[in-house]
Amino acid sequence: ELKVEQNPLFLSMQEGKNYTIYCNYSTTSDRLYWYRQDPGKSLESLFVLLSNGAVKQEGRLMASLDTKARLSTLHITAAVHDLSATYFCAVLPNAGGTSYGKLTFGQGTILTVHP
Amino acid sequence: NAGVTQTPKFRVLKTGQSMTLLCAQDMNHEYMYWYRQDPGMGLRLIHYSVGEGTTAKGEVPDGYNVSRLKKQNFLLGLESAAPSQTSVYFCASSKITRETQYFGPGTRLLVL
Repeated sequence: ELKVEQNPLFLSMQEGKNYTIYCNYSTTSDRLYWYRQDPGKSLESLFVLLSNGAVKQEGRLMASLDTKARLSTLHITAAVHDLSATYFCAVLPNAGGTSYGKLTFGQGTILTVHP
Repeated sequence: NAGVTQTPKFRVLKTGQSMTLLCAQDMNHEYMYWYRQDPGMGLRLIHYSVGEGTTAKGEVPDGYNVSRLKKQNFLLGLESAAPSQTSVYFCASSKITRETQYFGPGTRLLVL
């Protein structure tokens, strides 16, 4: 059974600071996704990481993937209040083409950025 | 494009009542999914469909049934609601299995 664990689960940051959210998973994976969810809203896709060593950046967020360590990170640079949200990683298992998009999600990291 | 839409947005049920949640997508996606979101547990897959007329069980299928009679619609049914089914339900769709999933706005369900 695929397990996906995020840490920390709660993150309170000051504006301007840097921090990293970690996503560990327990089995080989085809690809990894990061999503953002604002309170009471739906999930918005941030990144899709396709292979070992993949790095993607959008604004103050940068995501990376190490498939050998089964670890993805979401790095936040110089945080601003608008980044306050819940961040989820989701893993698509490597099932030889039969995964059918069955994602396993981490528990989510609730990020609060304050002045 | 409306993307993925869900009906209703909010519903209160009494234990034992039944209801159907409707998901519709206008992106011509083959794959559709139903998830539930509970605090501290992320999203868990209930059922999914890889095409019109086909459905399969996900991680937590008990107490739910689904149907996909048309490519653009995916219905989630609760035959006899239980308080444990109080949750936020999200529908998602994707073009093919490995592509990003696009999520609907969610349905908040409270079972008393």
